[in-house]
Amino acid sequence: DGGITQSPKYLFRKEGQNVTLSCEQNLNHDAMYWYRQDPGQGLRLIYYSQIVNDFQKGDIAEGYSVSREKKESFPLTVTSAQKNPTAFYLCASRDRGDQPQHFGDGTRLSIL
Amino acid sequence: GQQVMQIPQYQHVQEGEDFTTYCNSSTTLSNIQWYKQRPGGHPVFLIQLVKSGEVKKQKRLTFQFGEAKKNSSLHITATQTTDVGTYFCAGRMTTDSWGKLQFGAGTQVVVTP
Repeated sequence: DGGITQSPKYLFRKEGQNVTLSCEQNLNHDAMYWYRQDPGQGLRLIYYSQIVNDFQKGDIAEGYSVSREKKESFPLTVTSAQKNPTAFYLCASRDRGDQPQHFGDGTRLSIL
Repeated sequence: GQQVMQIPQYQHVQEGEDFTTYCNSSTTLSNIQWYKQRPGGHPVFLIQLVKSGEVKKQKRLTFQFGEAKKNSSLHITATQTTDVGTYFCAGRMTTDSWGKLQFGAGTQVVVTP
């Protein structure tokens, strides 16, 4: 979707390293999400934020951290505590209410 | 465990045939959304169903929400090669905040010309 930009497209992490995935949206959406996608497992929610300076853990938050200092930005840090970080990470945003989610193009993270 | 289940996980279809993918929840849903993810791409929203028993159509795609609001289906008629991709259902549990969706594992569709 044109309004959500994820970077980088590909990322490699060394052992013991923290890495940060960027997600920016210009849709003026209140809510933002981070999902992890592994083959055959669909999308699993890592963290979500419904408003600036507030965020909630999703189903698989361990080993990840986020911040929401600006409405437009919701970066995800994959910490060294996440032992199996290789996956496709998707960021999404949504307007208020039960509106559809708009996804970015994703970041593929691999371990070196 | 996963609260929203989708079957089948894989669907091989010959071009021109019909098929249906099903989505089942262990709890009542406030709404259900369907997304399509093309190979190498990201999920794209298709439709949302809110009312019990609701049926919506988009050209060759027919979406249905069960009477108990615990299941949904997507039926595609006269499958085309452009239908290739993974179809996900995603529902908001009535017990969850309005922000949170539970995604199914998806049905991966392969179309044989």
